[in-house]
Formats: sequence, structure tokens, C-alpha cells
Amino acid sequence: QQQVKQSPQSLIVQKGGISIINCAYENTAFDYFPWYQQFPGKGPALLIAIRPDVSEKKEGRFTISFNKSAKQFSLHIMDSQPGDSATYFCAASNTGKLIFGQGTTLQVKP
Amino acid sequence: GAGVSQTPSNKVTEKGKYVELRCDPISGHTALYWYRQSLGQGPEFLIYFQGTGAADDSGLPNDRFFAVRPEGSVSTLKIQRTERGDSAVYLCASSLDGTGGPSDYTFGSGTRLTVV
Repeated sequence: QQQVKQSPQSLIVQKGGISIINCAYENTAFDYFPWYQQFPGKGPALLIAIRPDVSEKKEGRFTISFNKSAKQFSLHIMDSQPGDSATYFCAASNTGKLIFGQGTTLQVKP
Repeated sequence: GAGVSQTPSNKVTEKGKYVELRCDPISGHTALYWYRQSLGQGPEFLIYFQGTGAADDSGLPNDRFFAVRPEGSVSTLKIQRTERGDSAVYLCASSLDGTGGPSDYTFGSGTRLTVV
């Protein structure tokens, strides 16, 4: 019940395209859903986050869509750029500690 | 400092040896978290400190793992009798007070531990 399942494991997108990563959770007590970006040799960095009282949040090229009834949320990266190539993790929390998904390696081809 | 500092950045040790990993959080942050990230996986929670005390140590895998934060600032993760399966990147994060959840988490770059 503490798991967060993330897909796909890897993703290749052309420059300018839309990257979509999906996550699903079981624990309805989770109340905070962040997405992290991680580059090799670095720690995860917060990209964007949402709470379950809203269905969508947009910050620049990054959008989170949240479906509370389905217990799913997704990250959309619009106009994907080669600099977006990284590993992305969804996560969920209700106590301060984060439960992470397995990660998605995104490659944006020029 | 400006960010969360972890030392060493890399540590190679022999199976059975004892290691200490250090985390220096952002000044003024009272909440500190340790996570372990195995190759190709998401980080897994180990332990959470609020001030000097361990508020949640439910993620420590066994009694070979121990962490301290004696003065409420720097924390040390200690691993006894290391095993090859302990090889991973150990990440530390801090946040202002922990009450807002992880919304103000900042992660360090981690310590890559290799047990040979």
C-alpha cells in the first residue's frame, strides 16, 4: 500500500515533443505528490508538486495532472529539450517522508 | 553553506568494514532525512530526524545501520560489518522544520558507497 508505481521505465522523445510519465498509488492518505529531476551524480531536485485538492498544476513547460478517483498522476513536459534529458521520479508523501517511484529515464533527441 | 553537503562523495570499503557517512544540512534546517538509492531505483527512506532525535527510523534495514545527530545539525550514518548489498548512493535531505512536509526538501548530491 506504500508503493508508488511509475511508467514507462525509459522514454525517448524528439526535441519539441511532449514527454509524458505516469504514476499510480494505493495509499489514499498521501497528500503531497512531487516530481523530481535527477542528473547523473546529483541528488534529486524538486521540479513541480501538487496536492490532491487540485486536478492540474502548470509551471512553465511542466504540468502535473492529478486524478484522485483513479489514484493516478502524471507529468507532462511540453516542448521537450535536450537539456531535459535526465531521470524523473514521482513520489508521494503524507508524513514528511517520501515514497518514490522507480524512475523514468528520459532522452530528448535533438 | 548554500546547500546540503555530503562527505565523502565516494567511498570504497571492504566487506565487513565499518563506514561513516556525513551530512551537513542547510543552516537552520531542523528536519533531516536519509535515503538510500540503489542503481536504477528510486530513493528509499531510511531515517528522519527532527532536531537531535530520530522521529522515524522505520526504513533502517537492520541493526547494522545507525544514524546520529547529536547537536541537531550534522548527521552521521553509520554502517557496521558492511555487505556487498549495502552498495548504493546514500542521499541526505534537509527541510526547514518538517511540518510542511517535503515541499521544502533539499537533497545533497549523495555518497556513493561501494563495498568490495
